[in-house]
Amino acid sequence: AQKVTQAQTEISVVEKEDVTLDCVYETRDTTYYLFWYKQPPSGELVFLIRRNSFDEQNEISGRYSWNFQKSTSSFNFTITASQVVDSAVYFCALSELGTNAGKSTFGDGTTLTVKP
Amino acid sequence: DGGITQSPKYLFRKEGQNVTLSCEQNLNHDAMYWYRQDPGQGLRLIYYSQIVNDFQKGDIAEGYSVSREKKESFPLTVTSAQKNPTAFYLCASSISGGGAYYNEQFFGPGTRLTVL
Repeated sequence: AQKVTQAQTEISVVEKEDVTLDCVYETRDTTYYLFWYKQPPSGELVFLIRRNSFDEQNEISGRYSWNFQKSTSSFNFTITASQVVDSAVYFCALSELGTNAGKSTFGDGTTLTVKP
Repeated sequence: DGGITQSPKYLFRKEGQNVTLSCEQNLNHDAMYWYRQDPGQGLRLIYYSQIVNDFQKGDIAEGYSVSREKKESFPLTVTSAQKNPTAFYLCASSISGGGAYYNEQFFGPGTRLTVL
């Protein structure tokens, strides 16, 4: 069964600090995708990034970067020089090719608060 | 503008009443999903549909029903059998039903249901 764990329930930082959001997943499938979504106070989730199980390259997009390590089943998300607008709930999600195709399993989310 | 609309934004219901939440998308996506989000928790899948006239139960389908008569519409009915329906409900879609495991999901703004 697939499972996603985001152990950090809430994180609070001061603007310009770097922050890393952890995501650990469990799956028996060899083909899967991992996702990060952002949920601002408005409530609508916004897609941030997708990574497939065969691509362990790290990715950087502006102040955002992602570190995927299959050896530790982790897909961590780092925000560099955080800003107040980064305040949101962030979800990590897992989607498998196998019998669960079409379904994503979400973690419980990490609430990030960036203070000015 | 393409996207997903959910209505109403806020919904109040008396105990024992059925209520239907609307979800419409004009993205021409095959797959659609309904999630429930409770405070401090992640998204739990209620129902999903990979193609018109077909849908499958998610992890918490009891007390809910859906239909998928049109590609663009996926209404969710919360029945009186749902013991604790007060929650935030999110509808989502993705491009491909069969290949949905690798496609990101697009989310609507959500409906907050309160049972009085």
